[in-house]
Amino acid sequence: DVKVTQSSRYLVKRTGEKVFLECVQDMDHENMFWYRQDPGLGLRLIYFSYDVKMKEKGDIPEGYSVSREKKERFSLILESASTNQTSMYLCASSFLVAADTQYFGPGTRLTVL
Amino acid sequence: GQNIDQPTEMTATEGAIVQINCTYQTSGFNGLFWYQQHAGEAPTFLSYNVLDGLEEKGRFSSFLSRSKGYSYLLLKELQMKDSASYLCAVGLRNSGNTPLVFGKGTRLSVIA
Repeated sequence: DVKVTQSSRYLVKRTGEKVFLECVQDMDHENMFWYRQDPGLGLRLIYFSYDVKMKEKGDIPEGYSVSREKKERFSLILESASTNQTSMYLCASSFLVAADTQYFGPGTRLTVL
Repeated sequence: GQNIDQPTEMTATEGAIVQINCTYQTSGFNGLFWYQQHAGEAPTFLSYNVLDGLEEKGRFSSFLSRSKGYSYLLLKELQMKDSASYLCAVGLRNSGNTPLVFGKGTRLSVIA
């Protein structure tokens, strides 16, 4: 079974703090994704990575950066957290980028005060 | 641009049948996925259709018509545990690396 894990289920941070969200997958997938999910807006893609050290912007990359130093690990970084980044963050991985099943982690509910 | 439409909310009775529709207008098509997401949890994969027709998997079935840009998820013998959001996602066929495009999801409430 594919397993995608995220470093925290719940996180509370202050405005202006630097925040790291980590995601690890154990299926040797090439591709990893970061989404945020907000009521009424659905899943929105922040960044994805199709290989180690490679990254592509998604639909809403502003205010975020990512890091992929190892194949199994994909980190999302909020350089200076703001209250409008309070959200549920979901990581996913897949074998192919396009038209392939994505497997999701349990999510991190981030609150920025 | 890519557009996927699903109803926002639906309510159905325990034991009944419910159909959740998804229409899409995308540049290229390479399959349609359905995911189930319980409140506070991650989406989990339900089904994948790339050819026209009905795919049945237990109580759940998924249908695709590529010419109409239309899919539906059919849930039979509804149970309370089927209360969840159902996400439709489309895979695109193009030359670049384009991830799945997700709809906003349909929240299904199953009532007694």
